[in-house]
Amino acid sequence: AQSVTQLDSHVSVSEGTPVLLRCNYSSSYSPSLFWYVQHPNKGLQLLLKYTSAATLVKGINGFEAEFKKSETSFHLTKPSAHMSDAAEYFCVVSDGYSSASKIIFGSGTRLSIRP
Amino acid sequence: DAGVTQSPTHLIKTRGQQVTLRCSPKSGHDTVSWYQQALGQGPQFIFQYYEEEERQRGNFPDRFSGHQFPNYSSELNVNALLLGDSALYLCASSLGQIRKTQYFGPGTRLLVL
Repeated sequence: AQSVTQLDSHVSVSEGTPVLLRCNYSSSYSPSLFWYVQHPNKGLQLLLKYTSAATLVKGINGFEAEFKKSETSFHLTKPSAHMSDAAEYFCVVSDGYSSASKIIFGSGTRLSIRP
Repeated sequence: DAGVTQSPTHLIKTRGQQVTLRCSPKSGHDTVSWYQQALGQGPQFIFQYYEEEERQRGNFPDRFSGHQFPNYSSELNVNALLLGDSALYLCASSLGQIRKTQYFGPGTRLLVL
């Protein structure tokens, strides 16, 4: 069975400081992992994805995530936060080796940026 | 290149009514998935359609049903609406089912009174 846990429901950082959003996963197979962002009253936008290639994945808007199999983690980072980064972030896992696999969303982390 | 589109954007219904939501996938995509996102929660997978058949289903009752048309567009139907069905309903499309990136539409916000 697969699952995903976002360890923080809310993260607040100052503008210009680093961002760390934590995600742990559980999967029976080698998973695909995604990070999506959802701005208020907007749809979900893909930030980045991992599909068993390079373990360090670079995404849009300066975000990146590192797949660590030994720690079953896929944390999202950004060196310097911008006010426009304030949004809800979702970590997603899919072990998609069969049509029976499903895509599982984490419960989300709300990122707030202090001026 | 149009992305995923959904209609309507907002909808108000009363308990016991039925509702149909519509989704047009991103150009070139053949797989459509539906999600329910309650306020303050992550999206929950409802079901996925590929080749006009339901291929996967999440933990939702039979009141939730769907359809996919030959042009890959899709409908989500919910019968006998409950207050708890109030949520944002998201449609996502992909090219293929397995380990594929899903692209999301803006959603339909359903309020059941």
